[in-house]
Amino acid sequence: NAGVTQTPKFQVLKTGQSMTLQCAQDMNHEYMSWYRQDPGMGLRLIHYSVGAGITDQGEVPNGYNVSRSTTEDFPLRLLSAAPSQTSVYFCASSYSIKSGANVLTFGAGSRLTVL
Amino acid sequence: KQEVTQIPAALSVPEGENLVLNCSFTDSAIYNLQWFRQDPGKGLTSLLLIQSSQREQTSGRLNASLDKSSGRSTLYIAASQPGDSATYLCAVKSGGSNYKLTFGKGTLLTVNP
Repeated sequence: NAGVTQTPKFQVLKTGQSMTLQCAQDMNHEYMSWYRQDPGMGLRLIHYSVGAGITDQGEVPNGYNVSRSTTEDFPLRLLSAAPSQTSVYFCASSYSIKSGANVLTFGAGSRLTVL
Repeated sequence: KQEVTQIPAALSVPEGENLVLNCSFTDSAIYNLQWFRQDPGKGLTSLLLIQSSQREQTSGRLNASLDKSSGRSTLYIAASQPGDSATYLCAVKSGGSNYKLTFGKGTLLTVNP
């Protein structure tokens, strides 16, 4: 049982490049989400999904795309990277976000630098 | 809009001391509150989850309480150890349709040997 797996752990991009951050969970969780963590700003929700084929925007969705074709995977795509997207990105999942009893499980994070 | 505040932003204590971390939130209509621990350069690890109908949860030396009416939660750490040094974050799940957790900015705890 690997939990939530994020790849890559580190990535350096040039402005304008595109890339995909991968997130996979093996816990059959319905809910998956992407956060970014910046100094002084805390954790902010980018996008989330409550099941395969269903995605929605969080607080800071601009510049990012997501899809959820399977229960296990929830990739985050940066369409045209900007220095403002330099951050640490976390994927998190939960069995069901509707229930108050379900713990949110985080991946180890992906540190992205955009030059 | 839910806002979550954690005070203090940083705390330094000697080993063995009992301590309390505070979390306050502005909207009392919550489903649950979670306390997380984050070590430098690592992801978040869930410590305790308190559902809205509960008053407290305990795990080992940790005890978290919830007072919805006053919009407050505390995390009590007994007999602190250097290994407890980390950033502690609280997160509140509010009602509504956006399934969003609102995080505080965390308290950086340093336990000195």
